[in-house]
Amino acid sequence: QSVLTQPPSASGTPGQGVTISCSGSKSNIGTNFVYWHQQVPGTAPKVLIYSRDQRSSGVPDRFSASKSGTSASLAISGLQSEDEAEYYCAAWDDRLNAYVFGTGTKVTVL
Amino acid sequence: EVHLVESGGGLIQSGRSLRLSCAASGFTFDDYAMHWVRQAPGKGLEWVSGINWNSAGVDYADSVKGRFTISRDNARRSLHLQMNSLRVEDTAIYFCAKEHCGGSCFSGLDSWGQGTLVTVSS
Repeated sequence: QSVLTQPPSASGTPGQGVTISCSGSKSNIGTNFVYWHQQVPGTAPKVLIYSRDQRSSGVPDRFSASKSGTSASLAISGLQSEDEAEYYCAAWDDRLNAYVFGTGTKVTVL
Repeated sequence: EVHLVESGGGLIQSGRSLRLSCAASGFTFDDYAMHWVRQAPGKGLEWVSGINWNSAGVDYADSVKGRFTISRDNARRSLHLQMNSLRVEDTAIYFCAKEHCGGSCFSGLDSWGQGTLVTVSS
């Protein structure tokens, strides 16, 4: 059972933007950094955003992240076909002493 | 470039044991904590366990506590997961992952291996 809640799906046409939300609590998002991971079907996850909303090497600036209180969000602007993937938020949880993932959001480019 | 390669997965009967390994390269292994994350077929990501740089600090998900043991060998740049009393619900791809912050802190994952599949039959 995931501690961080995401919408199951999001979609847009090429060139549009989508935003994925991630809702948590004080012990995880409210206290610690939020990481965002992308997983293309059939492949291993890769980190998109880490630590202080920094993009991982090679990740285009179309991807950006923000956090407010116990919620975080990932914005993708100028959608491209290669952005079709599952996206997961994640953070360390101080109460559980565990690393928690979001439920995942499948992004479809129409 | 960080490179993580898992091995040791396979088909195994419920109740038996299996040991996974992860070979690391491309970074100073003993500067970072390491983690295991799994993904059941068609499901999301689930953190399994983490170990800090010198093995003094380890944590486990409740679902595996008491059955799985994480360990590392800094001299050999390797991470391990000893899985005992395996259950059908442990069936998953197991990924090795590198911690982003150095030392003993647990903050987040910044590199992933390709994973190794563990299938537990009843």
